[in-house]
Amino acid sequence: GQSLEQPSEVTAVEGAIVQINCTYQTSGFYGLSWYQQHDGGAPTFLSYNALDGLEETGRFSSFLSRSDSYGYLLLQELQMKDSASYFCAVSLDTGGFKTIFGAGTRLFVKA
Amino acid sequence: KAGVTQTPRYLIKTRGQQVTLSCSPISGHRSVSWYQQTPGQGLQFLFEYFSETQRNKGNFPGRFSGRQFSNSRSEMNVSTLELGDSALYLCASSPGQSSYEQYFGPGTRLTVT
Repeated sequence: GQSLEQPSEVTAVEGAIVQINCTYQTSGFYGLSWYQQHDGGAPTFLSYNALDGLEETGRFSSFLSRSDSYGYLLLQELQMKDSASYFCAVSLDTGGFKTIFGAGTRLFVKA
Repeated sequence: KAGVTQTPRYLIKTRGQQVTLSCSPISGHRSVSWYQQTPGQGLQFLFEYFSETQRNKGNFPGRFSGRQFSNSRSEMNVSTLELGDSALYLCASSPGQSSYEQYFGPGTRLTVT
């Protein structure tokens, strides 16, 4: 089956850099996505990697290595508002559209 | 452009009852996916619709069903509710047939007593 693994919690200091890793066991997927979800809110799209390498979007960057079945989300210049849950997700190539999410990583940003 | 809307936002039902949840995607989006979110299981894929056709289904019992209308609005139905069905049900829409970027609605919080 398909599965994605992420650390359950990460703690970092305001202004620092944090990396959230995602390893997966799946094949035949379009790419790796990242979503942010604040408590009580809906997930919001952050980034997507269709190809291997680094994608940068402002303070957020995401990386994918298909050969290593691995990806990560990098958050720079952390702010208190970045405290949230972060989910990696793969969009499977099933002739339609099916997305499998990781269990999520809870990020705590401390002052 | 208005975002994804879901109704109702909160719902309390009793075991054995059935429930229908509604989702209106972003205008122009034709793909709608449904997810169940619980603290222990994260986001679990339920099904995906495109142009009124269910293209994919997750590993949920047949009590969970859905449909999509010609205006892309979607409904999901859960029959014979169980306590374990208590969860946040999220709907997400995408513009294309295989778009990786999904836009989520605020969800419907279902509590089964």
